Amino acid sequence: SQQGEEDPQALSIQEGENATMNCSYKTSINNLQWYRQNSGRGLVHLILIRSNEREKHSGRLRVTLDTSKKSSSLLITASRAADTASYFCATVPYNTDKLIFGTGTRLQVFP
Amino acid sequence: GAVVSQHPSWVICKSGTSVKIECRSLDFQATTMFWYRQFPKQSLMLMATSNEGSKATYEQGVEKDKFLINHASLTLSTLTVTSAHPEDSSFYICSARSRGFGELFFGEGSRLTVL
Repeated sequence: SQQGEEDPQALSIQEGENATMNCSYKTSINNLQWYRQNSGRGLVHLILIRSNEREKHSGRLRVTLDTSKKSSSLLITASRAADTASYFCATVPYNTDKLIFGTGTRLQVFP
Repeated sequence: GAVVSQHPSWVICKSGTSVKIECRSLDFQATTMFWYRQFPKQSLMLMATSNEGSKATYEQGVEKDKFLINHASLTLSTLTVTSAHPEDSSFYICSARSRGFGELFFGEGSRLTVL
């Protein structure tokens, strides 16, 4: 099952630009997480935001959460070529312990 | 951080054979493990939830007789793809969590190619 949809599906930018990815989900959640996946590799956990939080920062990452709209955004500032990867939002639906992934955004950062 | 190891990282097999993939939590006790499947350029789809000492809970549409999951200890869960066919070729990823609703830790994935 898929809980979230991400937008855009693919994003190409130049180094130094900011990258914004959006995630919408369907049901009430305990928390929302963002992951990164390099091609053909495992997942790297980036950040977790709880349902009672609205914004969180970690280095060049900024995540927002709007539970009324069931949406979240991930902003990567001052992008680098090494940020090239697929980014997934994932939610833990309320009253479950499952982590359900969104459709993902493929980010390409050109040097 | 905690480490989850998957083995093998890649496997090629003939159609009709069975393949076992192991998922180990190396430095913590994983009461719950999850198995995901990912087709090329697609997202991760949850296949099943595995709790130590009990039967796995499969997501809708996942054949439990096809994908056998065993979580025999607090550090090991296995996924066996039985009578594999080319359409089973995929990237299989496990994740593990210790007690409660703690952070999930992911393995590096296992790429299965069925000829």
